[in-house]
Order: sequence, then structure tokens, then C-alpha cells
Amino acid sequence: DTAVSQTPKYLVTQMGNDKSIKCEQNLGHDTMYWYKQDSKKFLKIMFSYNNKELIINETVPNRFSPKSPDKAHLNLHINSLELGDSAVYFCASSQAGQPQHFGDGTRLSIL
Amino acid sequence: KNQVEQSPQSLIILEGKNCTLQCNYTVSPFSNLRWYKQDTGRGPVSLTIMTFSENTKSNGRYTATLDADTKQSSLHITASQLSDSASYICVVSAMGGGNKLTFGTGTQLKVEL
Repeated sequence: DTAVSQTPKYLVTQMGNDKSIKCEQNLGHDTMYWYKQDSKKFLKIMFSYNNKELIINETVPNRFSPKSPDKAHLNLHINSLELGDSAVYFCASSQAGQPQHFGDGTRLSIL
Repeated sequence: KNQVEQSPQSLIILEGKNCTLQCNYTVSPFSNLRWYKQDTGRGPVSLTIMTFSENTKSNGRYTATLDADTKQSSLHITASQLSDSASYICVVSAMGGGNKLTFGTGTQLKVEL
């Protein structure tokens, strides 16, 4: 019954590796997002997709590549992980003008 | 530059007491303002959303106010409970494509016995 689900919940990996985080929403929303929350709890938008089309792409290193196979899924692939990538990554979805529904986050730790 | 500032940064209150959290913003053109509650280890959950024409909105013991002229909002929590311990985030949406939101850094509230 989870509205926005992300996997994995925890991800511990070494610097230089490539990893993916998956996100699925069952709310029928048209728009999905990826956010990064740093150690100071500040949420920052990374990407936004509307009906599988990229509409927001903030200043994010091109090592980060989102992929939306359909409007219910937005996955995030990260190449060549760096120490500064350690954070909590949140997926969210929304429908026109309505509040966003967030997943519970993926805690990424780079060793 | 669009900004959202919240105060206080953290707050400790006794169970049963009321408290008020503040949010000042410089986002323009303004579309709406939202308050979210984020429990530890969870994603943010929406409490209220207010547009330009609304100056107060309630959700149970949570009441948000908005003064669009002074660009200020407050979240008032009545009769606090231990479960209110969380981070409260003010988020302001600007008009235009992409539903672009500006997030505040949050107020960390702890309710103690």
C-alpha cells in the first residue's frame, strides 16, 4: 500500500562504484522528483519528470542520470560515486499543484 | 534569489504546551506555501498548503498562517504531543513551469515529558 516506495533503503558502497536507486509510485501522479538531503537536513531538488519527460534538471553532476521507463517509475543511476555523494536521496511524486508525496529515502554512504 | 528561512532552528517544549514556528520567504512570483513534517528516518509529509488568497489553514492541532504582504508564515502547534517531535519544513512554490519548490532548512522540534 506504500504510495511512493524507494529501494534500497540503505546503500553502502565504495568510492568509484556505480549504483542505482529505484522509485515507484502507485498514486497515478504525472510528476516525479529526486531530492538530495544533506547532513544539515536541507532538501535540494535534483530532477523532475512529468509523464516521462525531464522538466527540471538542477546543477547536478552528469554522473547522476535519471531514467523514467514509465510515469510510475523514476530511477536514479549514479556513476563513479564520490565521498560527497553521501546523503539521503528522496523520491517524490505529485499531481498538478498538489503537495508532493515523498518516499522514505535511500541512505547512501560512500566509504 | 529565492530563499526560505525558518526560525528557530531547534526548539524543545514540554508535552501539552503550544509552540509557533516561523517561516520568511523571498520567493517570487509566489504560488503557494506548504508546511511539511519529517519524522526521523522518514520522508516529509504534507501538513498544509496555502495559496495567495488564504491566510490560515488548519489540520488537526496544526494551524498555519500566511501573510503574503510581509512574506511570512507561521505554523502553530496546539497541545503538543511526543509524536510531534520531528523536523518541520516550510516550502514555497513559485509560479511557472516545473512546480519548482524552494525548501527551508527546517525547525527541529522536540517534545519532552
